[in-house]
Amino acid sequence: NAGVTQTPKFQVLKTGQSMTLQCAQDMNHEYMSWYRQDPGMGLRLIHYSVGAGITDQGEVPNGYNVSRSTTEDFPLRLLSAAPSQTSVYFCASALASGRPQYFGPGTRLLVL
Amino acid sequence: QQQVKQSPQSLIVQKGGISIINCAYENTAFDYFPWYQQFPGKGPALLIAIRPDVSEKKEGRFTISFNKSAKQFSLHIMDSQPGDSATYFCAAANFGNEKLTFGTGTRLTIIP
Repeated sequence: NAGVTQTPKFQVLKTGQSMTLQCAQDMNHEYMSWYRQDPGMGLRLIHYSVGAGITDQGEVPNGYNVSRSTTEDFPLRLLSAAPSQTSVYFCASALASGRPQYFGPGTRLLVL
Repeated sequence: QQQVKQSPQSLIVQKGGISIINCAYENTAFDYFPWYQQFPGKGPALLIAIRPDVSEKKEGRFTISFNKSAKQFSLHIMDSQPGDSATYFCAAANFGNEKLTFGTGTRLTIIP
């Protein structure tokens, strides 16, 4: 199993550009989530999904969209990037609610 | 509003010593308290977790102590080794709820 994979590893965007951060897992996990990590602030939940077709907002959802069309994939979309979205983004998955979450290696995003 | 407060921000411990990281929470509905370990350039990895029906959980050199009345929990690393040097995050959630709330992290450095 590859576990949780994220692409790209690093991305530079200009303000106003859009992009999609990819996340995939091959463990047949129902639950997937996106976090952002900023210095001194820990990890904050952006969006999460409890299964294909079901998504919900986390603590900091503004500026981000998600969809879950398959069990394996959970992409995060930035519609119009802002410098405040410069961060490291982590995707995580779990077998089900309440089970341990496994994190991907992260995507480092710089918005100029 | 920070629901999980973590201290210290950084910690230096000699090899063989005990590393202690503390967390306090506000939301009395939290009933699942995991600790994550993160190495530079990697995603967080679940280290150990506890539920409030026990006051202590030990796995190898890692122990969680939990004080429900004080709404505090701590991670103890016995016989600390240079390989333990990493950033540690405490977190809290309602068990069965997907929304992990993280502390701000502690950078642990073990010196020879």
